[in-house]
Amino acid sequence: NAGVTQTPKFQVLKTGQSMTLQCAQDMNHEYMSWYRQDPGMGLRLIHYSVGAGITDQGEVPNGYNVSRSTTEDFPLRLLSAAPSQTSVYFCASSKGTASEQYFGPGTRLTVT
Amino acid sequence: GENVEQHPSTLSVQEGDSAVIKCTYSDSASNYFPWYKQELGKGPQLIIDIRSNVGEKKDQRIAVTLNKTAKHFSLHITETQPEDSAVYFCAAIRLDSNYQLIWGAGTKLIIKP
Repeated sequence: NAGVTQTPKFQVLKTGQSMTLQCAQDMNHEYMSWYRQDPGMGLRLIHYSVGAGITDQGEVPNGYNVSRSTTEDFPLRLLSAAPSQTSVYFCASSKGTASEQYFGPGTRLTVT
Repeated sequence: GENVEQHPSTLSVQEGDSAVIKCTYSDSASNYFPWYKQELGKGPQLIIDIRSNVGEKKDQRIAVTLNKTAKHFSLHITETQPEDSAVYFCAAIRLDSNYQLIWGAGTKLIIKP
């Protein structure tokens, strides 16, 4: 099993550009989520999904869109990048709410 | 909503000594408390968790204790080793709520040789 994979590892965007961060898991997990990690602030939930076709907002959803057309994939779209979105982004998956979350290796995004 | 505070933000201990990291939570209905370890350049990884129906759980050199009355839980690492150097995160969730773990800000643990 590859676990949770994320692409790209690094990305630099200019303000106003859009892009999609890819996330895939091969563990047949129903739950998937996107977090951003900023220094001194821990992990903040952006969006999550409890199954294919179902998504919901987390703590900091503004400026981001998600979709979940398959169990395996959960892409995160930045609609119009802003410097405030400079962060490290992690995708995670789990069997259920109180189950171990498996994290991807992260995407380091810089918006100039 | 739930709020989780984690202390200290940085902890430096001598190799072989014990390390303790403490988290407090605000929602008395929270009932699941995991701890994650994040090594440099990697995603967090679960190391131990505890549910509100138990007060302590151990796994070799690591243990977690939960005080529901005081609404705090702690991670204890004994006989620390260089590979314990990492950032540790606590989290809390109310299992009958929507799927939102609330995370502490993290503790950077430094093991001095």
